[in-house]
Amino acid sequence: NAGVMQNPRHLVRRRGQEARLRCSPMKGHSHVYWYRQLPEEGLKFMVYLQKENIIDESGMPKERFSAEFPKEGPSILRIQQVVRGDSAAYFCASSSGTGDDTQYFGPGTRLTVL
Amino acid sequence: GNSVTQMEGPVTLSEEAFLTINCTYTATGYPSLFWYVQYPGEGLQLLLKATKADDKGSNKGFEATYRKETTSFHLEKGSVQVSDSAVYFCALIKNTPLVFGKGTRLSVIA
Repeated sequence: NAGVMQNPRHLVRRRGQEARLRCSPMKGHSHVYWYRQLPEEGLKFMVYLQKENIIDESGMPKERFSAEFPKEGPSILRIQQVVRGDSAAYFCASSSGTGDDTQYFGPGTRLTVL
Repeated sequence: GNSVTQMEGPVTLSEEAFLTINCTYTATGYPSLFWYVQYPGEGLQLLLKATKADDKGSNKGFEATYRKETTSFHLEKGSVQVSDSAVYFCALIKNTPLVFGKGTRLSVIA
């Protein structure tokens, strides 16, 4: 049973470019969560999605950040016009949503903005 | 709001020493509690969990007991190994996404 998959594992962008991070949940899971980890800090919640729906985006910056989880395909976290402060590790997690609230994490995407 | 406080690191222990990493939480009602471990350059792995008061989660020699009266979920291991060197995160979930502590870095030396 494949775990949560994320790609790319490492992403380098110049200021002003767009970053697209992908997450495929664990098989059978329909709930996806995105977290951001700044150096030497814990993880901060960004957004919670189910298929075709954003359930909670209270942790998302108001500008430049967006997320989707289409009916087919992976969840995408999109950062437009990246700035140096966006450099961080971005983790995706998934859960089954069937009463078990355990979240399983992917390996993360480490974004570096030059 | 919900929050998690865990002991600051880094913690450095000799191999076979006893480990305790303290974790306390603030939440309304009864959250589910988790310990995750992050090895260098990797994502978070679920280490153990407890979903109700007095539950004990255990895995790979690690244990933690859900203490409602002290709102705590301390992580313990009787004899650490060099391979346990990692960052450990305490977390809770209750009507919110996961809320994490800041993490405790553990270094075990031979």
